[in-house]
Amino acid sequence: DADVTQTPRNRITKTGKRIMLECSQTKGHDRMYWYRQDPGLGLRLIYYSFDVKDINKGEISDGYSVSRQAQAKFSLSLESAIPNQTALYFCATSDYVGQPQHFGDGTRLSIL
Amino acid sequence: TQLLEQSPQFLSIQEGENLTVYCNSSSVFSSLQWYRQEPGEGPVLLVTVVTGGEVKKLKRLTFQFGDARKDSSLHITAAQPGDTGLYLCAGGKNSNYKLTFGKGTLLTVNP
Repeated sequence: DADVTQTPRNRITKTGKRIMLECSQTKGHDRMYWYRQDPGLGLRLIYYSFDVKDINKGEISDGYSVSRQAQAKFSLSLESAIPNQTALYFCATSDYVGQPQHFGDGTRLSIL
Repeated sequence: TQLLEQSPQFLSIQEGENLTVYCNSSSVFSSLQWYRQEPGEGPVLLVTVVTGGEVKKLKRLTFQFGDARKDSSLHITAAQPGDTGLYLCAGGKNSNYKLTFGKGTLLTVNP
């Protein structure tokens, strides 16, 4: 079983819909991250969480929200999806700041 | 803004050739990580370097961290089709909350 599991793997939806992407991990790491990956732009940090009570905005948090339901679960929501949020989304974990991150296999999200 | 510039952006070579990809910054990092990402998967860590001038080898892959800890290189000897993928470098600072990722080098090794 994967250490970092993202669901769904693929999603196609319409503009204006609310979408939730889920991430769960079995690595026991406190730190969890959400990124989006776009061609030519690399990985950009959306939100990060250092523990259940600590949520922080990343570089591109507008239009997104997160919830850290437990140490092992970190979900990303798009409140009202728009086409320029079409991207590949990754969840990652690490055991402390600046250390190697462990990524899920991503969610490919298309907004029509 | 801390930037990591990777070059080249794209590289297509024949099996058996050698190649080097670069990761450069004007900032000093505490550590530099290299990841490989294959289609349909997330990035997977290859190596972490932490000491200026450090060289690490992973089979046919050789990683070097610059003396000033601002740059790094990845050299692949006798590339194989299985080396195909997106190579990402990422810099970490002990005082910072996140890794800074480069945009990646997309490597294609043709049989």
